[in-house]
Parts: sequence; C-alpha cells; structure tokens
Amino acid sequence: SQELEQSPQSLIVQEGKNLTINCTSSKTLYGLYWYKQKYGEGLIFLMMLQKGGEEKSHEKITAKLDEKKQQSSLHITASQPSHAGIYLCGADTNSGYALNFGKGTSLLVTP
Amino acid sequence: KAGVTQTPRYLIKTRGQQVTLSCSPISGHRSVSWYQQTPGQGLQFLFEYFSETQRNKGNFPGRFSGRQFSNSRSEMNVSTLELGDSALYLCASSPRAGRAEAFFGQGTRLTVV
Repeated sequence: SQELEQSPQSLIVQEGKNLTINCTSSKTLYGLYWYKQKYGEGLIFLMMLQKGGEEKSHEKITAKLDEKKQQSSLHITASQPSHAGIYLCGADTNSGYALNFGKGTSLLVTP
Repeated sequence: KAGVTQTPRYLIKTRGQQVTLSCSPISGHRSVSWYQQTPGQGLQFLFEYFSETQRNKGNFPGRFSGRQFSNSRSEMNVSTLELGDSALYLCASSPRAGRAEAFFGQGTRLTVV
C-alpha cells in the first residue's frame, strides 16, 4: 500500500483562486518535502518541513506540517498559470533513508 | 552552481539489451539517489549512494544496479531490459546522506521497444 497519500489527485482552478493540496503519511514522519514537476521533467525543490507545527512560505506557496496527524498541506494563494504542474510530497519515514513519494497532484490553472 | 546533470536525456533500447545512465551531482554533494517514475507506480526509489557506498536499496530486481565514483558521479545500469522498464529515471543529489533536501536532475527518458 502507498505510504504517502496525496489529495486531490488532480485539480483545476481558475486563476486568482486559492487551493490546498494534502499529503498524509501512514508512517511516522521524520521530514516532509514538497516538489513541483513539469510533465516529463525533473523535480523542483519547493520546501522542507522537519518539525511538528512548522510552516514555511515561498512567494505565494505555504506549506505546513502536522506531525501528530502525520500530515502536510500545501496552500497556494491567488493561483497563476505558472503554478500549473504536478506537486509531489516526499517523506523521510525511515529515519535517515531515501525519500518515499506520493503519486502527485496535477494542478491546472485556467485563465 | 551547476545543477544535477543526467545523460542522456532520451534513450530508446530494445528488449534484452542493457543500458547505462549517468548522473553528475551538484558540486560538493556526496549523496546520489536514483528513482524510477512511471504513470502507474509514480516515483519509486531505486538506490542511494554516499561516498561510493550503497546505503539503501529499493524493491527492484537485481537487473538494476548502480555505482558511485570517487568524484560522486553515479551510474545506474539496467540489464536484460523489459518493456516495463520504460520510464523516466531521475537522479537526485544531496549534500549529505539521510535527512536533507534532494535536488533532482531533468531525468533520462528510457523507452524499451
């Protein structure tokens, strides 16, 4: 079974609208990473969260980590077409080993 | 700093052949991880190397192997290719092993026909 579940699987929003993507782990989280991917290309590192309750922002993207719920959320404010892509969460669930990834959330922002 | 460089970007191979993919990490990074990405399975971990040693291995058959050189560059090899090996292979480098953000290359798109 998938260790990391992302929701929703896909999202279409109108430009200017806010949106939230969730990532839930079935195992204890030692670190949570958010990446963005354009189709067929590499992953672009967005943010890393390591402590419960931690919240980080970069431009219009904010990510939070709820360690107790083993969950993270990625929030985009006033979405733009440039935000379109696949958002992937990766988690360190083995205390120091390589990342496991969710299946991604595909985001499309319409004019 | 230059990013993670993967070569080649695209590759077409025939079933039964073998293939070698290359990854040059960010200068100063000593950890290199390899992932396979397919539409059905998503991003799956293959293996991680740190200072020329394999630290961890994912759940892939022995046909998938890798190595890391003293300059931290890494290669992965897939022998006896199968149609199901068609995928985007991504390499990621980190400054250290374990809990550190990983920076990904553009990937190598392998198509097995």
